[in-house]
Amino acid sequence: KNEVEQSPQNLTAQEGEFITINCSYSVGISALHWLQQHPGGGIVSLFMLSSGKKKHGRLIATINIQEKHSSLHITASHPRDSAVYICAAPRRGSNYKLTFGKGTLLTVNP
Amino acid sequence: KAGVTQTPRYLIKTRGQQVTLSCSPISGHRSVSWYQQTPGQGLQFLFEYFSETQRNKGNFPGRFSGRQFSNSRSEMNVSTLELGDSALYLCASSLVPSGHSSSYNEQFFGPGTRLTVL
Repeated sequence: KNEVEQSPQNLTAQEGEFITINCSYSVGISALHWLQQHPGGGIVSLFMLSSGKKKHGRLIATINIQEKHSSLHITASHPRDSAVYICAAPRRGSNYKLTFGKGTLLTVNP
Repeated sequence: KAGVTQTPRYLIKTRGQQVTLSCSPISGHRSVSWYQQTPGQGLQFLFEYFSETQRNKGNFPGRFSGRQFSNSRSEMNVSTLELGDSALYLCASSLVPSGHSSSYNEQFFGPGTRLTVL
């Protein structure tokens, strides 16, 4: 079992829909990253958070350290949001190496 | 500021050969981390360098090595290539205070080097 689990693995939405991607982890962590990867490989860091909520434009990330769960929300989705979204956490007990989820492939249709 | 650059972008090698990949971080960033991405395993941490010192290493065989130069540029080397080494290799730089882990700071990724081993 992966230490960092994402759901769903694949998500198809219509333009304008509200989207939620979930990340749960089985190991003790104190922070979590959300990354976006477009076709072709480039990765962009969206958020790093250790508590509460962060917002950037139409993107919102929340985390509950005690419940070992984080969510990424996209409001008013757009086809340009189509990408793979990956969560990653520094893993305690391994010198805080980043451990990654398998990613969620989001497709937003016009 | 220029972003993280990686060279070459694409590389084709045959089994048994060795390869060196290069990463130039954002100016002022002293931390450089390397990652391997494959369809089966996803993203996996390879190693992190800070001020020319390796300070963290993932679970990869000794065929994978790296180094960092005084200008923070980093190289990774894979010797005796295997088919399973075919992957996208990404580096990321981070503005990290000395003594802090880059895992707790925003990381800026390069475009990656796509290595194919035949």
